[in-house]
Amino acid sequence: GDSVTQMEGPVTLSEEAFLTINCTYTATGYPSLFWYVQYPGEGLQLLLKATKADDKGSNKGFEATYRKETTSFHLEKGSVQVSDSAVYFCALSDLLGDNDMRFGAGTRLTVKP
Amino acid sequence: ETGVTQTPRHLVMGMTNKKSLKCEQHLGHNAMYWYKQSAKKPLELMFVYNFKEQTENNSVPSRFSPECPNSSHLFLHLHTLQPEDSALYLCASSQDIFGAGDTGELFFGEGSRLTVL
Repeated sequence: GDSVTQMEGPVTLSEEAFLTINCTYTATGYPSLFWYVQYPGEGLQLLLKATKADDKGSNKGFEATYRKETTSFHLEKGSVQVSDSAVYFCALSDLLGDNDMRFGAGTRLTVKP
Repeated sequence: ETGVTQTPRHLVMGMTNKKSLKCEQHLGHNAMYWYKQSAKKPLELMFVYNFKEQTENNSVPSRFSPECPNSSHLFLHLHTLQPEDSALYLCASSQDIFGAGDTGELFFGEGSRLTVL
């Protein structure tokens, strides 16, 4: 079945450092890919998405490119801020496959001043 | 404010108690979901409702019983839970089931933190 694997955390960075959180997927159909973010004490909220190969999703300085050849959707940000501290979830929705929204285990990011 | 409200935010219960979690959305969405979030594990989909009808029960034990009286409200009734059921229970909604529409986005509540003693 469909699945998402993302790098284990926690990740600790200094402010203005470069961030990469790796995400790879397996899917039987043609999935849409998502990154969700969960700030402390809150529910998940959509950060960005990409619906087909080579699409780039971007929001709040974060970017991720849908790479079909490597089945990846890595999250990047050039300069993180303390306010980016949160848990980040990679997810896929595959209507032709499992017809489900599958999430990774989440990666906790802490940014120190 | 995400438009999805969950109550209570925190709940402590004994294994013999009966309690309920409530979820409410005023986004006009047709699909609602219950997820279980445990530490270091992927979110586990528990139940899916589409237009008030349950479309998926992801092999959830019968001590969890969902109820969807209308498309805006979703409940999770809890009975004789086990300590391993302690987790954050998240409710979500979407315009169409699993984001079949244009946005493909789930809207989550803040969750109900459940502790079973």
